[in-house]
Parts: sequence; structure tokens; C-alpha cells
Amino acid sequence: SFELTQPLSVSVALGQTATITCGGKNIVTRSVHWYQQQPGQAPALVIYWDTTRPSGIPERFSGSNSGNTATLTISRAQAGDEADYYCQVWDNNHVVFGGGTKLTVL
Amino acid sequence: EVQLVESGGGVEGPGGSLRLSCAGSGFTFHDYGMSWVRRAPEKGLEWVSGITGNGGRADYADSVEGRFIISRDNAKKSLYLQMNSLRAEDTAFYYCARVGYRDYVFDFWGQGTLVTVFS
Repeated sequence: SFELTQPLSVSVALGQTATITCGGKNIVTRSVHWYQQQPGQAPALVIYWDTTRPSGIPERFSGSNSGNTATLTISRAQAGDEADYYCQVWDNNHVVFGGGTKLTVL
Repeated sequence: EVQLVESGGGVEGPGGSLRLSCAGSGFTFHDYGMSWVRRAPEKGLEWVSGITGNGGRADYADSVEGRFIISRDNAKKSLYLQMNSLRAEDTAFYYCARVGYRDYVFDFWGQGTLVTVFS
């Protein structure tokens, strides 16, 4: 089955840019979606189809997908962005999530 | 406003059964595929099962295949998960999620219900 690899943790200084990667074999051929889960809350969609932002998600959130790596970029990081972030794809009638990345804003 | 509300979680022993429910409102329920996703303590998100809008197709993660059954009642705008032969590793928050776009995009999620299987 398809596997997605994320770093366990990423740290970013307040106001700087955070980059969270999602690795998978030839992932560029897949549509990648990203979710944010804050402590005690349900997951929320922040990027879908690699680069599309749902309504209500700030422009600070952006996505890209190339080769074997998809990336979620959070510009001008805020304290409220501290959360777990997950990438996800659809593969052979199964949903696959990455292991998740804990973002810490310093 | 789209709302998904889960219920039915609780505490059960190994080998026991539980039935989760998810009530949908604010959208045309039968037009959307639905899924169950769980998050175990100190672990990440794990997809459990999904079902098409008309209920004609259901898929399962390998970890629950043969033990869990997903179903839906579109007249009641409800999604279900029958959980049998429960194991300690099934302990998790269980979320229902709506498939909003192609390629299985989960655009709305419920707040979750906690299932605890004590060993």
C-alpha cells in the first residue's frame, strides 16, 4: 500500500515561514490533501488537490506537489497555527494518511 | 450549516461490540460519501472505513476488515459503524467525515466520540 512520510515535528519562529513535507513514491501523480488538528478539536481541511484552499483558510496557507514530495507552507506563522498537520491521499480504494507533524511556533 | 454529530462511544471489554452513529444536517446527505476516521492516543489519524452516497460500496482498512461494518440510512441522514470483536488497539476518538470532493477530500468533520477498550 502507498506510504506517506512526514517529519515528527517542525518548529518555526513567530512570523516566519514553516514548511511541512509529505514524502511518497512519485507522489506528484496523486492529489494530496492537508488537515490541521488543534488540541482537543476535530481535524480541519486546510489544502486540497495539492494547492486549493477551502473558503475561510487564510492565504498564508499554501501547498505544492512535485516529484516525491508534497509540501504545506505556512507563511507569517502565528501562535494559533500550533497544531498537528496531516497529509492524505486516496490509493486503491483506501485512504492513506501521513503520520502527522507537530508544528511548534516559538 | 453543515453539521456532523457522532454518538455511541463508550467503554467496552475486549471481544465486545459497540455501534457508533453520526447524524448529518445542513446538506443533502445522500449526495455525499462518508467515512470514519480514528485517532488513537499518542498516534496519528487512521482511516477506518468509507461508504458511497447510495451505500452501494463500502471499503475498510485492513486493521478492521471483517470486524467492523459501515452502513448508512439516508432517510434518517445517519451514518453508522458497527464495531465487533473489539481490541485494545481500537481505543481511539472516532470521527465521521464527509467526502466533499473527488479524490476523497474530507471537507467536514464531526467532533468525535471516544471508544475505550480496556484490557
